Amino acid sequence: AQTVTQSQPEMSVQEAETVTLSCTYDTSESNYYLFWYKQPPSRQMILVIRQEAYKQQNATENRFSVNFQKAAKSFSLKISDSQLGDTAMYFCAFMKLDNYGQNFVFGPGTRLSVLP
Amino acid sequence: KAGVTQTPRYLIKTRGQQVTLSCSPISGHRSVSWYQQTPGQGLQFLFEYFSETQRNKGNFPGRFSGRQFSNSRSEMNVSTLELGDSALYLCASSFAATYEQYFGPGTRLTVT
Repeated sequence: AQTVTQSQPEMSVQEAETVTLSCTYDTSESNYYLFWYKQPPSRQMILVIRQEAYKQQNATENRFSVNFQKAAKSFSLKISDSQLGDTAMYFCAFMKLDNYGQNFVFGPGTRLSVLP
Repeated sequence: KAGVTQTPRYLIKTRGQQVTLSCSPISGHRSVSWYQQTPGQGLQFLFEYFSETQRNKGNFPGRFSGRQFSNSRSEMNVSTLELGDSALYLCASSFAATYEQYFGPGTRLTVT
């Protein structure tokens, strides 16, 4: 079974600075997808960024980028120029396709606080 | 496009009762997944439906069940409620080609 680990339960960063959230996963699969989701306080979960395992190029979405190290099974999220609105729980997720459809596994989350 | 909607948003039930939660996916999305979110266990996968068929099921007791209708709307049912079922229940829909899940606001269930 796949597992996803986020070793930083809580982090804080000053506004306008850069922060990196860690995620590692365990799998024997070679073809899978990785995602970062953000859940602001009392608001719904939204997709931040996704990465296909077969792509070597790291995904980027505006201020959000990932460092995908397939051999190390590491998938960290970098947030540049942090904004107060980035305060949220961040979940790393692993997804593989099998004969039974999509199979998502989420990490325990990292609570990020952006300080003014 | 309208986002994923879930009804009701809040629910209070008594132990032993049953409850039905509803989820309407984004138009065109045929996959609907359900998750239970609690502070202690995090996000746990319940099941996934695609074209009215349950494709995947998480490690939950048989008291948790679901279904999907021909318009892709989905319901989940919890029978014989226990205190430990108190949680935020999230529904997510996805378009098959991208596998990106879009989440609804959730239904917060409190069992007393």
